Amino acid sequence: QKEVEQNSGPLSVPEGAIASLNCTYSDRGSQSFFWYRQYSGKSPELIMSIYSNGDKEDGRFTAQLNKASQYVSLLIRDSQPSDSATYLCAQETSGSRLTFGEGTQLTVNP
Amino acid sequence: KAGVTQTPRYLIKTRGQQVTLSCSPISGHRSVSWYQQTPGQGLQFLFEYFSETQRNKGNFPGRFSGRQFSNSRSEMNVSTLELGDSALYLCASSFSVGGARYEQYFGPGTRLTVT
Repeated sequence: QKEVEQNSGPLSVPEGAIASLNCTYSDRGSQSFFWYRQYSGKSPELIMSIYSNGDKEDGRFTAQLNKASQYVSLLIRDSQPSDSATYLCAQETSGSRLTFGEGTQLTVNP
Repeated sequence: KAGVTQTPRYLIKTRGQQVTLSCSPISGHRSVSWYQQTPGQGLQFLFEYFSETQRNKGNFPGRFSGRQFSNSRSEMNVSTLELGDSALYLCASSFSVGGARYEQYFGPGTRLTVT
């Protein structure tokens, strides 16, 4: 079993809709989670970090962490074509080592 | 602040050769991590350096090595290159956001092609 798993993509949503990206993890040891956005041909860009159970909002992005269910999600409200990218879920598993999911490719259609 | 810089951005090498990649972290960041990204394996952790010491290491063969200098700049070296080493090599610098919580910021990467 992979340590960090993301829901299979690709995911396609219309402009203005809510995009929901999900991630599950198996290692209960670390509770630091991150969402990175990676445009094609570019490097990952940190968009959200979450360390506590519950929701964390930043603009159109909301990260949710549910430790009991070992589940992390990212909601993107009012999705824009510029949000089209691959979204990577990562867990800090040992010191400053990040373990990544395989990524979910999101396409927002105008 | 300037972001993480990596050089070179693109590199083409032949099997059996060796390569050295360089990374300069964000000013003030003392931790540098290296990752390999391939279509098949995704993003995988190579190693992490903090204050010139390797603090963490991933599951890569000994052909992959690294070091960090006193100014926090880091290099990674891959010896005896194999075709499977073709990948995007990413460097990330990290800092504490409080307690044991760290955030990592990636550089643009070095695209290595082995022929």
